[in-house]
Amino acid sequence: SYVLTQPPSMSVAPGKTARITCGGNNIESKSVHWYQQRPGQAPVLVIYYDRDRPSGIPERFSGSNSGNTATLTISRVEAGDEADYYCQVWHSDSDSVVFGGGTKMTVL
Amino acid sequence: QVQLQESGPGLVKPSETLSLTCAVSGYSVSSGYSWGWIRQPPGKGLEWIGSIYHTGTTDYSPSLRGRALLSLDTSKNQISLRLTSVTASDTALYYCARQRVPSRDFDYWGQGSLVTVSS
Repeated sequence: SYVLTQPPSMSVAPGKTARITCGGNNIESKSVHWYQQRPGQAPVLVIYYDRDRPSGIPERFSGSNSGNTATLTISRVEAGDEADYYCQVWHSDSDSVVFGGGTKMTVL
Repeated sequence: QVQLQESGPGLVKPSETLSLTCAVSGYSVSSGYSWGWIRQPPGKGLEWIGSIYHTGTTDYSPSLRGRALLSLDTSKNQISLRLTSVTASDTALYYCARQRVPSRDFDYWGQGSLVTVSS
């Protein structure tokens, strides 16, 4: 099965840039999607197809995917960005959805 | 606006079958897209259970294949999940979500339904 690896936690100061990584074997060959899950809420899609933003998601959220690592970048971090973030891919070899373990981002 | 609402028993006994439904409004489940179930054990991450396409074709997580069954009810515009032989490890918040094709991302989510497995 395909495994996505995320750092369990990270912290960032307000106004700074956060980068959350998602590692997987040759992940650049897959489309990576990212979700934000605030405490007590359902996940929200923030990036799809590696770098596209759904309507209503601030431009501060961006994504990239190269080699074995996909990255979600949050610029000018705000207190409201404090949440768990999950990456997700479709693994065609097994026709299955795979989620990363999630990264808890704390805004200092 | 697409909305999804999960419902079902909050408590299920070990070895029994967990049954949940997801009522969809704002879009016909038979018109397109895929519809997925994702669960989240307390304090843990997201786990995909399976997805059902508007045609009725299904995909399941390898770890749950054989215990999970997804179905569509087009007359009620809802999707259903049955999970057999449950144990305490199946205790989780169960979400339904709309899955886009071919991207396979989930663009609309329900608020989740908490299911506890306990005698």
